Amino acid sequence: NAGVTQTPKFQVLKTGQSMTLQCAQDMNHNSMYWYRQDPGMGLRLIYYSASEGTTDKGEVPNGYNVSRLNKREFSLRLESAAPSQTSVYFCASSERAGQALWGYTFGSGTRLTVV
Amino acid sequence: QKEVEQDPGPLSVPEGAIVSLNCTYSNSAFQYFMWYRQYSRKGPELLMYTYSSGNKEDGRFTAQVDKSSKYISLFIRDSQPSDSATYLCAMWRDDKIIFGKGTRLHILP
Repeated sequence: NAGVTQTPKFQVLKTGQSMTLQCAQDMNHNSMYWYRQDPGMGLRLIYYSASEGTTDKGEVPNGYNVSRLNKREFSLRLESAAPSQTSVYFCASSERAGQALWGYTFGSGTRLTVV
Repeated sequence: QKEVEQDPGPLSVPEGAIVSLNCTYSNSAFQYFMWYRQYSRKGPELLMYTYSSGNKEDGRFTAQVDKSSKYISLFIRDSQPSDSATYLCAMWRDDKIIFGKGTRLHILP
């Protein structure tokens, strides 16, 4: 089925370790997004890429970096994981940022625990 | 004041009841209004979207927007246990979607 694929689905890290969350979409969408979802905080935008070759900070970018590898793939990197980064991470895509009224297609999430 | 406010619940109602979910917003720049449904351990999925004030119906679901009051609602008729999920309102402005925190809904068989 067409959609957004995230890997891994679960991960446990020790404080200070690094890791990259992978996201790929096969809908030929131009825009891609990384969100984190925490209890009581809702969905918060970390970074987004309006089009291939561009990335911009969202609401909570500190401690994260992103790479728009090509039109299909958008990765999120934690350079030195902290317990405050324990969360569920969602990748999403849309046809283009300016036409977000059609909504985002979300992946199924990565559950990350930092101990 | 948060741009989008949504009561987190949980909201528990018996099967067959009419459910009303609501959000308020503060920014008049919002132009499009959406509802997402999120099942446990899944990503959100777009349920409905609307632009103008008034009602939009899709099966058992009705989205209502009152721009003068900055208030949006989602009504679910004949609620089913399969409707148990978290419902997030979302609003679009300036090329971004701003999400509410979501309301957890439990439909009791």
